[in-house]
Amino acid sequence: GAGVSQSPSNKVTEKGKDVELRCDPISGHTALYWYRQSLGQGLEFLIYFQGNSAPDKSGLPSDRFSAERTGGSVSTLTIQRTQQEDSAVYLCASSFTGGTGELFFGEGSRLTVL
Amino acid sequence: GIQVEQSPPDLILQEGANSTLRCNFSDSVNNLQWFHQNPWGQLINLFYIPSGTKQNGRLSATTVATERYSLLYISSSQTTDSGVYFCAVVDSGAGSYQLTFGKGTKLSVIP
Repeated sequence: GAGVSQSPSNKVTEKGKDVELRCDPISGHTALYWYRQSLGQGLEFLIYFQGNSAPDKSGLPSDRFSAERTGGSVSTLTIQRTQQEDSAVYLCASSFTGGTGELFFGEGSRLTVL
Repeated sequence: GIQVEQSPPDLILQEGANSTLRCNFSDSVNNLQWFHQNPWGQLINLFYIPSGTKQNGRLSATTVATERYSLLYISSSQTTDSGVYFCAVVDSGAGSYQLTFGKGTKLSVIP
């Protein structure tokens, strides 16, 4: 597609359930990022994928969070046993080259944990 | 890690007024971007400007990398300019790739 595509756009779940969020980056972009934005806050880095290299998971807040990127393209962010503090907008971005390249963001997935 | 400070945190403008938003960063960078987050939460790319000056319509930006700051100019503001403006940088340390965001400037343009 022309831009970064994320799904679902909105997700409401009950505390303790698992959720999966999907990101389809811009075609040809090798770098993919996940960020989180809590209500009224700035953007918090979660994880970074670059080509076939091992991902940088240093921003994941707990071991309930995991992410994978299949075939160097689509990425899935999984949150297990969701908690209310996980409620946020999860934003995915992609870049042609990583660090020095321009990042483009998707519209985000808004997660609400009841 | 690198620190990014944006000012002012809040700004209210009358439609038609001009404004300048500032971004200071604590270390040398090889990537600097300005984004506009609209009321629906979408992050829209404004400028990719690690150095120099760029203009796009009523908006322009200047980054003085040696002095570690960037400025975003908005001229003849419109109500559609309302939202939060973020500055984000990648420090130029070897292998760096993480975009670090400032806390943003919330702009409200009133008719």
